[in-house]
Order: sequence, then C-alpha cells, then structure tokens
Amino acid sequence: NAGVTQTPKFQVLKTGQSMTLQCAQDMNHNSMYWYRQDPGMGLRLIYYSASEGTTDKGEVPNGYNVSRLNKREFSLRLESAAPSQTSVYFCAGEQIGATEAFFGQGTRLTVV
Amino acid sequence: DAKTTQPTSMDCAEGRAANLPCNHSTISGNEYVYWYRQIHSQGPQYIIHGLKNNETNEMASLIITEDRKSSTLILPHATLRDTAVYYCIVSIHNYGQNFVFGPGTRLSVLP
Repeated sequence: NAGVTQTPKFQVLKTGQSMTLQCAQDMNHNSMYWYRQDPGMGLRLIYYSASEGTTDKGEVPNGYNVSRLNKREFSLRLESAAPSQTSVYFCAGEQIGATEAFFGQGTRLTVV
Repeated sequence: DAKTTQPTSMDCAEGRAANLPCNHSTISGNEYVYWYRQIHSQGPQYIIHGLKNNETNEMASLIITEDRKSSTLILPHATLRDTAVYYCIVSIHNYGQNFVFGPGTRLSVLP
C-alpha cells in the first residue's frame, strides 16, 4: 500500500500561473483534507471532503478550489498563484471509525 | 474547538523519558486529546489519543488529568529519531476537519 500520495513533491510557479496539486489514497478513506503549513507554524486547513461528492471550506480557503474526483482522489487547484501561497501543502485522509488521520509527504510550492 | 497551549521547545537526553505537557483548559466533554508529531517537515504522524483514561501504545503514553484540563505525552526512552515537533490537539473523535494544529513543541533529543 502506498498510503497517501501527493504529486508533485516540489513546484515553482510564477505569479498568476495556475496548477493542480494531486492527492491519492489507497486506504479507503472516507474523509480527505488539504492543509498548508507556513514556516514555523502549524498546519491550517484549506478544504476538506467528508465523503465522496462533498467538499467544504476550512480555515483558509481563499484562492483555492478543490475536487473530490472519486473516493481515492482529492485535488487542490490554484487558479492564479500568488506569492502568499508559497507554502508546504499536505493532504490527509481518514476513515470513519478510525483513530488516526494519515498524511502525505507534502508538496513544497514556491510562487515567485 | 478548544485551544491548546504547549511549550515552544524542550530538550531531552537520549534514553531518558521525554514528558511533553499540554494545557487544554476549555476542552469539552466530548472532545478527545490527540497527539501527532512531525519529523523534519514530513507529514504529521499520529501518536496516541485519549478521552479520560490514561492510554499507552507502542510509541508513547498519554496521561490526562482528572479534570481533563491538561495532559502529558510521555516518550519512555527517547531516541534521536524522536526529535520532532509534537502537536497536541483536542477534537471531537474522528472529525479531522476540526483539528487545529498550533505551533506545537519542538523536542530535541540530545546525544
């Protein structure tokens, strides 16, 4: 099992460019999450999907969109990247009744 | 959701017990205490969680005070690989969307 896989691992964008961060899990998670982590800070929730076909905003959703393509995949899109979106992005998944969430290894995004 | 307060950093000698405190004075009756850690910018890793009773697993022990206003994570024999940022989180069970990751405690295990 691969667990929670994020692609790409690193990305550099120019201001105004768009891109999609991909997340896929093979752990049968019902819920999936996107967080961002800025230097020296904890993780902040961007969007989450409690189940296939549903998405909801988290703490810092502005500038992002998400798609829960199917149960396995949850993507995060930046339509017009800004330097303030330079961060490390983590995807996570969780199964109903489970005791823990599983995180991917992160995508390090730099917007110049 | 209840907020938590943790020390910014702690040191621990290798082989000794590491005791990481957490204050959560506004915790609600149905909220659990979760601990995660993040090793060198990797994705956070679950350690342990509890509601009222003390809990132990292969990684750590969790001691929750009787009034549930604070807790301590104990790594019984810290190794260099335990150097990480440790996050204490309170949340309704299995509602990851309610997780609030503060800055955590940076634990340095020293040789």
